[in-house]
Amino acid sequence: QKEVEQDPGPLSVPEGAIVSLNCTYSNSAFQYFMWYRQYSRKGPELLMYTYSSGNKEDGRFTAQVDKSSKYISLFIRDSQPSDSATYLCAMTTGNAGGTSYGKLTFGQGTILTVHP
Amino acid sequence: DGGITQSPKYLFRKEGQNVTLSCEQNLNHDAMYWYRQDPGQGLRLIYYSQIVNDFQKGDIAEGYSVSREKKESFPLTVTSAQKNPTAFYLCASSTFPRGGNSPLHFGNGTRLTVT
Repeated sequence: QKEVEQDPGPLSVPEGAIVSLNCTYSNSAFQYFMWYRQYSRKGPELLMYTYSSGNKEDGRFTAQVDKSSKYISLFIRDSQPSDSATYLCAMTTGNAGGTSYGKLTFGQGTILTVHP
Repeated sequence: DGGITQSPKYLFRKEGQNVTLSCEQNLNHDAMYWYRQDPGQGLRLIYYSQIVNDFQKGDIAEGYSVSREKKESFPLTVTSAQKNPTAFYLCASSTFPRGGNSPLHFGNGTRLTVT
């Protein structure tokens, strides 16, 4: 079983839809959770960065972390064609100074297409 | 503009040849990383370096080598020992705060094709 599981999709939605992207994980030591967006033939760019359980909102994006269920989500409201990309969840124990520092464990990525 | 520059964008090599991928950052970040991305497998860590002249193996280091002689530079060599080298290679960097965690910033990758 992989440490981080993410439904690869692909996911196709109409413009304006609410999109829900999800990841589950097995390592209870993960403390820091990230969502990256990756356009075709580009590097991932950081979208959301959260620590511990709860919600974090940034514009049309909301990141949700439920550590008790080992489950994280990214919601995109009023989705736009420009949101079409691969979305990667990532997480780390964040042991600063330790050997695990900065080592992210990624999900497989979900391919999202928003059509006009 | 601060950022991470990876070159070249596309690289083609014959089997049995070593090849070096370049990664330079001007973000003044302490830590640098190399990830490999394959379809359906997400990103996997190859090597990482927290300070100059020091680096550690990641999850899939076999067949790869790195050096960190300067803070700004972290080149990756894909050797002939790497059994399946064709992939998209991503370099990343982050600060090294005393507490907590700092997210990674990525370059735009090098797509290596070995035939």
